[in-house]
Amino acid sequence: EVQLVESGGGLVQPGGSLRLSCAASGFTFSSYDMHWVRQATGKGLEWVSAIGTAGDTYYPGSVKGRFTISRENAKNSLYLQMNSLRAGDTAVYYCARGRYCSGGSCSPHYMDVWGKGTTVTVSS
Amino acid sequence: EIVMTQSPATLSVSPGERATLSCRASQSVSSNLAWYQQKPGQAPRLLIYGASTRATGIPARFSGSGSGTEFTLTISSLQSEDFAVYYCQQYNNWPLYTFGQGTKLEIK
Repeated sequence: EVQLVESGGGLVQPGGSLRLSCAASGFTFSSYDMHWVRQATGKGLEWVSAIGTAGDTYYPGSVKGRFTISRENAKNSLYLQMNSLRAGDTAVYYCARGRYCSGGSCSPHYMDVWGKGTTVTVSS
Repeated sequence: EIVMTQSPATLSVSPGERATLSCRASQSVSSNLAWYQQKPGQAPRLLIYGASTRATGIPARFSGSGSGTEFTLTISSLQSEDFAVYYCQQYNNWPLYTFGQGTKLEIK
């Protein structure tokens, strides 16, 4: 079964740091782009970061310079290091599977598998 | 940044009836558009990609159409399990993905 399981969420003070993890199973992790997407309570979805199969990383302006996405293919794991956290970063954080690449050919960039999410609360 | 605008914000429909949800992009995204369904307390689920291709396991009552800037998700005969929030997402402007703000489909 294809599965993504997030962990590492919790309560952190403004200015603090937190590291999220996502454990992947049931598919060839190294062949997929991976993403983090967040959702504040009662709000919509916001893309937070992406990492390609070659380790290339991407961020929107709202988190660039504060968040770092990484992956460890040998452990089928995705990470999100979050520094200088703000109240506005409070949300459920989902990891999601993105584009599949093999032999120089890639699928489109939609997100077809999502984890159940982990909650991050930034508050004093 | 490509802005995705969904309408209406809330749609009230009776079970068995048809629901039509709209999504508009601020500039062309070709057919690089996906639809997701999200139920309370759950993660989003991919319904449609490429504007009109159903994802694996998605019932045929869900259909997507459109290209460029105007897109539609149609649910032909609403079942009780279809009442949820629906999001569109453009992935044309890789890697700057953007989502619409969502349409809540509620029971009339």
